[in-house]
Amino acid sequence: NAGVTQTPKFQVLKTGQSMTLQCAQDMNHNSMYWYRQDPGMGLRLIYYSASEGTTDKGEVPNGYNVSRLNKREFSLRLESAAPSQTSVYFCASRDRGAPGANVLTFGAGSRLTVL
Amino acid sequence: SQQGEEDPQALSIQEGENATMNCSYKTSINNLQWYRQNSGRGLVHLILIRSNEREKHSGRLRVTLDTSKKSSSLLITASRAADTASYFCATEGPNSGYALNFGKGTSLLVTP
Repeated sequence: NAGVTQTPKFQVLKTGQSMTLQCAQDMNHNSMYWYRQDPGMGLRLIYYSASEGTTDKGEVPNGYNVSRLNKREFSLRLESAAPSQTSVYFCASRDRGAPGANVLTFGAGSRLTVL
Repeated sequence: SQQGEEDPQALSIQEGENATMNCSYKTSINNLQWYRQNSGRGLVHLILIRSNEREKHSGRLRVTLDTSKKSSSLLITASRAADTASYFCATEGPNSGYALNFGKGTSLLVTP
């Protein structure tokens, strides 16, 4: 029962480099989310996918792209990394529509540093 | 924009004492949830209270919701050192697209 798995756990990039954060869930959840967490800012929603085949912008989408590859996987891409994107990124999922389905299950996080 | 605001930002108590954290929000909600985050880890769901509920209990946790004041409180009774963590409230509104809006969190330190 892995739940939500994020890779990599740590990454250091130089300004302008690109990278993709991977997220996979094995709970057959419909909806998936990417949040970033910065000191003193709590969690802010970057993008989400309410169901397979759909994606929507959250509060802070600029500089990011996402792909809902299939029901299990939801990736977050930084095309040209900037120091302001230094953060801890969390992927989460939920089973929209089922009883008690409002609860998010989170991955362990990916710590990204952009130099 | 972020919906919830927790208060206080930081709380330090001794084992056995009760810890109370508050959350205020701005717009109408379907439900309000509390999550815990241990240092360096992901968030873990603690308890959910729906907009038509006023109080809910789960073990040593007690959550209240006052929709007229747009506020909630989380009470942890008989705190233990293992309760040391950050606690976040999160709200789901009728037009949130199934996303949760999180507050900035309360950092709780429980000393032996």
